[in-house]
Amino acid sequence: EIIMTQSPATLSVSAGERATLSCRASQSVSRNVAWYQQKPGQAPRLLIYGASTRATGIPARFSGSVSGTDFTLTISSLQSEDFAIYYCQQYNNWPPGPFGQGTKVEIK
Amino acid sequence: QVHLQESGPGLVKPSETLSLTCNVSGDSFRTSPYFWGWIRQPPGKGLEWIGSIYNSEITYDNPSLKSRVTLSVDTSTNQFSLKLKSVTAADTAVYYCVRHGARGYSYVDYWGQGTLVTVSS
Repeated sequence: EIIMTQSPATLSVSAGERATLSCRASQSVSRNVAWYQQKPGQAPRLLIYGASTRATGIPARFSGSVSGTDFTLTISSLQSEDFAIYYCQQYNNWPPGPFGQGTKVEIK
Repeated sequence: QVHLQESGPGLVKPSETLSLTCNVSGDSFRTSPYFWGWIRQPPGKGLEWIGSIYNSEITYDNPSLKSRVTLSVDTSTNQFSLKLKSVTAADTAVYYCVRHGARGYSYVDYWGQGTLVTVSS
């Protein structure tokens, strides 16, 4: 089974600053990684798929990149509504998932 | 716009069967190329994939749930369902119904709002 390892567990960032979240796959998953944002009491929302393609309606401040098995989600300038938990998910192999354990982005 | 909505009891007794239904609007099981699944999230924890179904065929059933899962689709009502038998407190979670793509595209593009199911006597 592929394991997705996210780091850090918690990221403290000030509004307006850049946030960089990491997700490492235990084996090659090509570019088949998605990122989701989850706010308290809400369902996750798809942000990025194909490692770097923004989902419909996602602001341009969210971007994704990949280098080998290391995936990165960057939020260029954090807005107040971006403080949330972010999950990565591989979908290169079947079955779908698993998800990473999540990175919480909190206000510094 | 696709919309998914879970429904079912919020409280289930230990050893009984958890039953949830997801009503889908904006897409049709008869014609959709998408898969339909269930993901759960224990309070304060991460996301766990339970299982997925396509065209009434179960395509994935998480082995960690030890064959306790039954998935089904009702094309006449555009609903799909989850049954999880012999529940314990460890099955307490928010349960989400989701839509996702096929193999190689199986990211989740639509989520239900989620429903909290508590297992307690």
